Amino acid sequence: SQQGEEDPQALSIQEGENATMNCSYKTSINNLQWYRQNSGRGLVHLILIRSNEREKHSGRLRVTLDTSKKSSSLLITASRAADTASYFCATAVNTGFQKLVFGTGTRLLVSP
Amino acid sequence: DAGVTQSPTHLIKTRGQQVTLRCSPISGHKSVSWYQQVLGQGPQFIFQYYEKEERGRGNFPDRFSARQFPNYSSELNVNALLLGDSALYLCASSPWGDEQYFGPGTRLTVT
Repeated sequence: SQQGEEDPQALSIQEGENATMNCSYKTSINNLQWYRQNSGRGLVHLILIRSNEREKHSGRLRVTLDTSKKSSSLLITASRAADTASYFCATAVNTGFQKLVFGTGTRLLVSP
Repeated sequence: DAGVTQSPTHLIKTRGQQVTLRCSPISGHKSVSWYQQVLGQGPQFIFQYYEKEERGRGNFPDRFSARQFPNYSSELNVNALLLGDSALYLCASSPWGDEQYFGPGTRLTVT
C-alpha cells in the first residue's frame, strides 16, 4: 500500500516559475526522500531529509519536513522545461531494514 | 562509475509463463531491493536482500521470488504470470545507507 500522498497530482507551470509539491504520510519515519522519474524510467534521487531535520537545500531544491503534521514539501525554484517529470516522496520506515514506501507522485509539466 | 544496470529493458510474456529479471548493483553496494511500479502509481516494495540474505519482503504472493549472488547481483523471478503483473520492475542498490540508487527498470508486459 502507498504510505504517502502527493498533492497536487498534476501541476502545470511556465519556465521561471516556482513549483511546490506536498507529501503527507501516515507512520513515523527515519527519513523522507524525494525522487524524480522521467517518462516512466528509473528514479533519480534528489534529496534526503532526516526526521530530526526541518529544512534542507540542494541547488534549486528546498525541502521541508514537519513530523508533527506528517508532511513534507518540495520546492523547485526557477523551473526549467527539463524539470518536467514525475516527482515522488518516499519514506524510510523503521522496519528493521531499509525499505522505501512511495507516494502516488506529482506530475510536473514546465512549459517554455 | 557504472550505475545500477538491469536486463532486459523490455519483455513481453504470455499469461502463465515465468520470467526472470536481472540486476547488477553499483560496485561496492551489498544491498539490492526490488520494486514494482504499475502505470500511474508509485513503486511498491517487493524484496530486499543484503549479503545474499532476504532482509524484507513486501505484500506480494509467493509467485514472486528473488535471490542475491556472491557478487551481489540479483534476480527476480515471477511464476504463473498474470495480466496484473504488467509493470515496470525497478532494482535499487545501497551500500546499506539511507539512499537507494535505482536502475532504469525492466518493462514487463503480460498478454
